[in-house]
Amino acid sequence: KAGVTQTPRYLIKTRGQQVTLSCSPISGHRSVSWYQQTPGQGLQFLFEYFSETQRNKGNFPGRFSGRQFSNSRSEMNVSTLELGDSALYLCASSLAGMGTEAFFGQGTRLTVV
Amino acid sequence: GENVEQHPSTLSVQEGDSAVIKCTYSDSASNYFPWYKQELGKRPQLIIDIRSNVGEKKDQRIAVTLNKTAKHFSLHITETQPEDSAVYFCAATHIKAAGNKLTFGGGTRVLVKP
Repeated sequence: KAGVTQTPRYLIKTRGQQVTLSCSPISGHRSVSWYQQTPGQGLQFLFEYFSETQRNKGNFPGRFSGRQFSNSRSEMNVSTLELGDSALYLCASSLAGMGTEAFFGQGTRLTVV
Repeated sequence: GENVEQHPSTLSVQEGDSAVIKCTYSDSASNYFPWYKQELGKRPQLIIDIRSNVGEKKDQRIAVTLNKTAKHFSLHITETQPEDSAVYFCAATHIKAAGNKLTFGGGTRVLVKP
């Protein structure tokens, strides 16, 4: 069974640009969550999608957005990039809701210069 | 919202010794507490979890205890081995139908010295 796949693995962008990250969950998993990991702030929740609907949202500005497709694949978009957006972005998939194990992808390392 | 504090931030132990990591949470409604291990350059992986209707759970050399009254939970690793060296994260959430959101502690970097 394939694990959670995130693409691309690495990205370098310039301030002001926008970026789209992709996450393919484990087959059969309908919940996809996104997290930002930085040395200073640790792992912070961005949002969660279930059956193409955003169910939960963290405390990030509106520049961060996401969506989920009918095949459960998810994308997150960051517009008007800032230097502080440099981080490892992790997605996690789980079967349904909470209390079921969340499996993380390898992450996308975003560097904003 | 939920807030999770984790201590210590770094922990160095001799191989064979025990390691203990402690977390406190703020939301008394939280009822699911997973622990993740993240090795350098790799993804976080669930190593053990506990629900609020259980006070302790054990899986081989790792165990987790939960004190709901005090709102804290701990990870215990016995007979540590060099491969236990990693960053460990605790997390908390309230299982509910309307969402899947983990609040993580700041992480503990564990170094097991051979």
